[in-house]
Amino acid sequence: EDQVTQSPEALRLQEGESSSLNCSYTVSGLRGLFWYRQDPGKGPEFLFTLYSAGEEKEKERLKATLTKKESFLHITAPKPEDSATYLCAVRVGGYNKLIFGAGTRLAVHP
Amino acid sequence: ETGVTQTPRHLVMGMTNKKSLKCEQHLGHNAMYWYKQSAKKPLELMFVYSLEERVENNSVPSRFSPECPNSSHLFLHLHTLQPEDSALYLCASSPHRAREQYFGPGTRLTVT
Repeated sequence: EDQVTQSPEALRLQEGESSSLNCSYTVSGLRGLFWYRQDPGKGPEFLFTLYSAGEEKEKERLKATLTKKESFLHITAPKPEDSATYLCAVRVGGYNKLIFGAGTRLAVHP
Repeated sequence: ETGVTQTPRHLVMGMTNKKSLKCEQHLGHNAMYWYKQSAKKPLELMFVYSLEERVENNSVPSRFSPECPNSSHLFLHLHTLQPEDSALYLCASSPHRAREQYFGPGTRLTVT
């Protein structure tokens, strides 16, 4: 069964304290891994797509990496505005079906 | 309007009511999706439309009925819902079925 697991469930950081979020997956044929950011009461906001092991993408303080079994979202010197829930999803099947993880709630304190 | 819009943003309905959620995408995409997001549960895909044809139905109860009249509009018709259907309902679109999905702000539904 296709599955996506994110850890930790919640993470509290001090401003400037770098860390990483994990997304591990078991799918029968990965066709893309997606990272989203979701603020309370809002829809998810697209961040990155990764397709093959070894691929990396960067955007401001965020960097996503992919291996054959997991993906990491590295946050460098986070700021309070980076506080949000970060969602990981994998694409399976022929019709862009995404399976989401439960997310990591990140809180960055000044 | 830009991106993906959803109306209403909040909806409270009784178990015997009938209501509809509306989604509109202004991105020129040709695939649209309905998701359900319940508290402390992952996003669940409900329906997928590609070029206005329903191509995925994730075993959703018949009290949820989708409609896609054209590539820009998507509806979710609701009737005789249960309290456990209370959730955030999210609409998304993508430029092609193999590309990233862009989400609307969601409709917060409460069934009383």
